[in-house]
Amino acid sequence: DIVMTQSPDSLAVSLGERATINCKSSQSVLYSSNNKNYLAWYQQKPGQPPKLLISWASTRGSGVPDRFSGSGSGTDFTLTISSLQAEDVAVYYCQHYYNSPLTFGGGTKVEIK
Amino acid sequence: EVQLVESGGDLVQPGGSLRLSCVASGFSFSNYWMTWVRQAPGKGLEWVANIKYDESEIFYVDSVKGRFTISRDNRKNSVYLQMNSLRAEDTGLYYCASGRGFLVDSWGQGTLVTVSS
Repeated sequence: DIVMTQSPDSLAVSLGERATINCKSSQSVLYSSNNKNYLAWYQQKPGQPPKLLISWASTRGSGVPDRFSGSGSGTDFTLTISSLQAEDVAVYYCQHYYNSPLTFGGGTKVEIK
Repeated sequence: EVQLVESGGDLVQPGGSLRLSCVASGFSFSNYWMTWVRQAPGKGLEWVANIKYDESEIFYVDSVKGRFTISRDNRKNSVYLQMNSLRAEDTGLYYCASGRGFLVDSWGQGTLVTVSS
């Protein structure tokens, strides 16, 4: 099974500042046949279901603000919120969809400093 | 607009059974993979099972193999999760989700399963 490790567990960032979340997979999630990384990021606000933010490591989902960006390849990935807004307070999860079982990172809680 | 509405969650004793249902609308259900993901109280997300649009591929997390069964009815735009031999560690909010392949892009609001005596 592919293990997904996120860091940090939590972070507090001032409004308008950058937030960076890291995700590492125990094996590569890059499919050589199509050169795509099978890595997604989800945002979960309190009391709500998760929402897809980023797929294929760097493709923003429908309606996702451009302050959210994803980067990385192979085993190391990053979610960046370029200018934190109050509505971005949430837990963020990475997940691979390379094979079964699909697994999630432990989550990173983002708060306002 | 994609809508996924789960039902069937309840309080059940250890060893008991439950059947969760999810009705989908707003997209071409018969062309999408369907997935169940759960979340224990105050914990992270755990993928449980998924099923291909034509039922030709089905996958489970190891901890539910032999106890849970995922199925779907494309005529009713519905997916199900039959849960037998329930354990305390199966307690949580169960989300129904949809997507292309293994990528999940839409989620329901969830239905709560509590396994306790």
